[in-house]
Amino acid sequence: KAGVTQTPRYLIKTRGQQVTLSCSPISGHRSVSWYQQTPGQGLQFLFEYFSETQRNKGNFPGRFSGRQFSNSRSEMNVSTLELGDSALYLCASSLVGAWGYTFGSGTRLTVV
Amino acid sequence: DAKTTQPPSMDCAEGRAANLPCNHSTISGNEYVYWYRQIHSQGPQYIIHGLKNNETNEMASLIITEDRKSSTLILPHATLRDTAVYYCIVRAPEGGGDDKIIFGKGTRLHILP
Repeated sequence: KAGVTQTPRYLIKTRGQQVTLSCSPISGHRSVSWYQQTPGQGLQFLFEYFSETQRNKGNFPGRFSGRQFSNSRSEMNVSTLELGDSALYLCASSLVGAWGYTFGSGTRLTVV
Repeated sequence: DAKTTQPPSMDCAEGRAANLPCNHSTISGNEYVYWYRQIHSQGPQYIIHGLKNNETNEMASLIITEDRKSSTLILPHATLRDTAVYYCIVRAPEGGGDDKIIFGKGTRLHILP
């Protein structure tokens, strides 16, 4: 079966712009989480959605937001981009009650 | 903050068993030990999890001490493709309303030819 699909794979944006990243979970998976990975901070939890509701949120500013659609696909948005937002953004999905998340390959965002 | 402590790096000869330790002295009674790995430029990959009994699957074995304060991930016959960063994580079962993974720094495993 298809894995977690993230689009686009690579993105270059200018400081001050906004960006939207997309994640399609594995079919049947209703929980979708987002993570930011940088060399300095490692993997950090952004937020988690289940049935179109945000259930958990990490310690990120309000510029970072997300949503989940009825088909479980999810998007995250970063507004007013800063240089420090350059990172690999990872999406993960899981079945409720299942063991282990499946991660996508990520979107590498570069802010210049 | 991550509830686990791992060595920052380890080396292992190809074909030998790689034993990756993890300390989780503050683990709660309902928390499981999970292991993920991340190969360069890819998303983390789930390896195995356990509560208190030792576990084995096609990828690895997980040995948890009786007091549950530490564990060891064992890759029985390491290959070059096992070179990755390995993350040890403790968390409550999924679906408990706190479905997030707190990653630490992990262990960078180098498999030497």
